[in-house]
Amino acid sequence: SQQGEEDPQALSIQEGENATMNCSYKTSINNLQWYRQNSGRGLVHLILIRSNEREKHSGRLRVTLDTSKKSSSLLITASRAADTASYFCATDDTGFQKLVFGTGTRLLVSP
Amino acid sequence: DTAVSQTPKYLVTQMGNDKSIKCEQNLGHDTMYWYKQDSKKFLKIMFSYNNKELIINETVPNRFSPKSPDKAHLNLHINSLELGDSAVYFCASSPGAGTNYGYTFGSGTRLTVV
Repeated sequence: SQQGEEDPQALSIQEGENATMNCSYKTSINNLQWYRQNSGRGLVHLILIRSNEREKHSGRLRVTLDTSKKSSSLLITASRAADTASYFCATDDTGFQKLVFGTGTRLLVSP
Repeated sequence: DTAVSQTPKYLVTQMGNDKSIKCEQNLGHDTMYWYKQDSKKFLKIMFSYNNKELIINETVPNRFSPKSPDKAHLNLHINSLELGDSAVYFCASSPGAGTNYGYTFGSGTRLTVV
């Protein structure tokens, strides 16, 4: 299946440090998306990166995409306690009709 | 507020009961989805409607039946609830079908079957 796999499964850092999460997938994609889920809440869309893009920025977020390696990374710079959440990558299924979510990375940012 | 809203937020019910979850979006989106998130946080799509038309119907037991009376509403009815149905159910919407858009999610309905 196309389900992405995030690495690491869990990450614990101090406020002010950078956090990097990786996502690997199996088949060719149209685009890749990253979402954040705070505990007990719904998912929030962060960034969409298309297959012909290599890097995208949004505030303190930087996403890279390497289609040759079928991988993406999400970098959160100068992390804050409020960044504590689970982060999911999502990719197209083979027919580009639906989003398939990865297994998620749980990020804990300590003050 | 513009949003995707789901009701109820929590649902505790006994095995064998029938229950419904309602979802409404006021974003003007054409496409709506139901996702199920299990205890390990794995999210799996169940159904998708585009302008009231069913376009995605994953391998889901027939006990689950979606209904979209208009493009702003997508409800989920579950018959004969089983213990394994316990999960968080998320409604989401997007401007159009496919994956070229970010999805907007509701806050979820935590279903507990006892």
